[in-house]
Amino acid sequence: ETGVTQSPTHLIKTRGQQVTLRCSSQSGHNTVSWYQQALGQGPQFIFQYYREEENGRGNFPPRFSGLQFPNYSSELNVNALELDDSALYLCASSLYPGGYTFGSGTRLTVV
Amino acid sequence: RKEVEQDPGPFNVPEGATVAFNCTYSNSASQSFFWYRQDCRKEPKLLMSVYSSGNEDGRFTAQLNRASQYISLLIRDSKLSDSATYLCVVQENNAGNMLTFGGGTRLMVKP
Repeated sequence: ETGVTQSPTHLIKTRGQQVTLRCSSQSGHNTVSWYQQALGQGPQFIFQYYREEENGRGNFPPRFSGLQFPNYSSELNVNALELDDSALYLCASSLYPGGYTFGSGTRLTVV
Repeated sequence: RKEVEQDPGPFNVPEGATVAFNCTYSNSASQSFFWYRQDCRKEPKLLMSVYSSGNEDGRFTAQLNRASQYISLLIRDSKLSDSATYLCVVQENNAGNMLTFGGGTRLMVKP
């Protein structure tokens, strides 16, 4: 059984650019959620997808968007990057409504 | 006011010490409660779920007080390997089942 895999592990982008982060869910899991963790803070919920539909969203602007694919993998897209978007982005998968397994995250630095 | 509040620490304790972490949450509709452990630059991992009756897992004891909206974690006989950030997490059983994290409490166990 494979866990949650995220790519890339590290990324440096320039302010104003766009970025796509990817997540492969744990085998058998149909739900994926994304969290942003700024340095020294707890993870903050961005949004969640269940069977390819968004079924929950946190307090993030529309420039944060996502997709879930038929194989339950997922993408997080962020447009018009700002310096404050620098953070660890965590993907978590679950078999709704069960417990979550987190990936090791993508560390995004915006310069 | 943050939805889930924790003392950020750090708690510096000697090996063998007993240490207690506390957490309060603001949403009385929260249904599920957890402690996660996060090592430096790693993803959060589930340490234990928290129940009103209290639950114990080896050296770790968690307790929930719904009336006071208060959650605790007690670590007995601290080990060097317990050094990490401990995240208090609540979950509402609504659409999305999103996790709401506290800011984390950092523990450093010293020889």
